[in-house]
Amino acid sequence: DAGVIQSPRHEVTEMGQEVTLRCKPISGHNSLFWYRQTMMRGLELLIYFNNNVPIDDSGMPEDRFSAKMPNASFSTLKIQPSEPRDSAVYFCASSRQGFAGELFFGEGSRLTVL
Amino acid sequence: AQSVTQPDIHITVSEGASLELRCNYSYGATPYLFWYVQSPGQGLQLLLKYFSGDTLVQGIKGFEAEFKRSQSSFNLRKPSVHWSDAAEYFCAVGANAGNMLTFGGGTRLMVKP
Repeated sequence: DAGVIQSPRHEVTEMGQEVTLRCKPISGHNSLFWYRQTMMRGLELLIYFNNNVPIDDSGMPEDRFSAKMPNASFSTLKIQPSEPRDSAVYFCASSRQGFAGELFFGEGSRLTVL
Repeated sequence: AQSVTQPDIHITVSEGASLELRCNYSYGATPYLFWYVQSPGQGLQLLLKYFSGDTLVQGIKGFEAEFKRSQSSFNLRKPSVHWSDAAEYFCAVGANAGNMLTFGGGTRLMVKP
């Protein structure tokens, strides 16, 4: 079975540019999470969707960050405009509701903002 | 709010030696506890979880963890470490049957030949 698929795996961009990260969750999973991982702050939950509806976005750093899930098989995390402090690895994870904590992670998108 | 502390940032063990990674949590009720492993360049993979019942839980790759309520701990153990176990290990706590987890800062394990 295909796991969680993220793209791009690596992105290098300049400050001020728009960045869009994409995620395809595992088929049949109805919960989707976006995490950010940095050396300084570790793993941070940015936003969580259930059945395509955002449930908790309290971890989204600021208005420059937005996330959408237009259907059960696709989600995007957008940063506009990007800043150097946004450099991190962004992970998407999915799970089935009722299987608490059994998150399946993608391989991550490493973002570098110059 | 719940929190997780992994006191050891780095641990080095010799191949074949036993391993214990520490995890302490803070949560007012019975927690849902997890250990995840992250290999370089990869996402996190679930090793094991504790929801209720037997406080000693078995996971994949020969790992086990023991929930000790009195110590608010959920330490991960393995009797004999293999070189392929070198990775970063994350302890996590969930507040309820939902899926929102709080992760610890991670422990990076290095294995000496």
